Amino acid sequence: AQTVTQSQPEMSVQEAETVTLSCTYDTSESDYYLFWYKQPPSRQMILVIRQEAYKQQNATENRFSVNFQKAAKSFSLKISDSQLGDAAMYFCAYRSPLDLNDYKLSFGAGTTVTVRA
Amino acid sequence: DTEVTQTPKHLVMGMTNKKSLKCEQHMGHRAMYWYKQKAKKPPELMFVYSYEKLSINESVPSRFSPECPNSSLLNLHLHALQPEDSALYLCASSRIRDRLYEQYFGPGTRLTVT
Repeated sequence: AQTVTQSQPEMSVQEAETVTLSCTYDTSESDYYLFWYKQPPSRQMILVIRQEAYKQQNATENRFSVNFQKAAKSFSLKISDSQLGDAAMYFCAYRSPLDLNDYKLSFGAGTTVTVRA
Repeated sequence: DTEVTQTPKHLVMGMTNKKSLKCEQHMGHRAMYWYKQKAKKPPELMFVYSYEKLSINESVPSRFSPECPNSSLLNLHLHALQPEDSALYLCASSRIRDRLYEQYFGPGTRLTVT
């Protein structure tokens, strides 16, 4: 299984400011898929953003954007104009393209984001 | 409908009890998953069902027994659990053969084994 590393256990951000979460991964594959999932306290996990490795362009979803550096095997998430509702645990996840029937995700350890009012 | 539902929300059981967790989705997904999640940790995959057949068992102890009665339902039967099995149990579903497609997660069942 691929290793996904999130080196920041906790991050704190002032409301309306920007925070960047780091994620690195280890793989020998050239084609793969990367995801950021958000898990608010006592609420279900939802997908924030996804990136296909063969696409050069960084994915963006409203206030969420990624900085995908394939050579460096880095996939950071930027949250702009942070809102109180962004407080959650964020997981970076990797998926191999080889698993067509068995959709296994390799998760990082997670980063807890706190938003200060 | 993009919802995965799980029942019950909370469950407390003794080590000699038998109980079941239920998961349901109506998105037409043919892959369904059980995860175990400890506090402030990532989900750990337990089982994967593809087309209602068990395709992955991540060396889970036999006291956990999954069942997929049809394409919308997924059960997890619990028997003779240990206190260390206390955790949040998440169900998820996804399309198959769609590489980029996400997994949809349910809210989970918080299990306490006494």
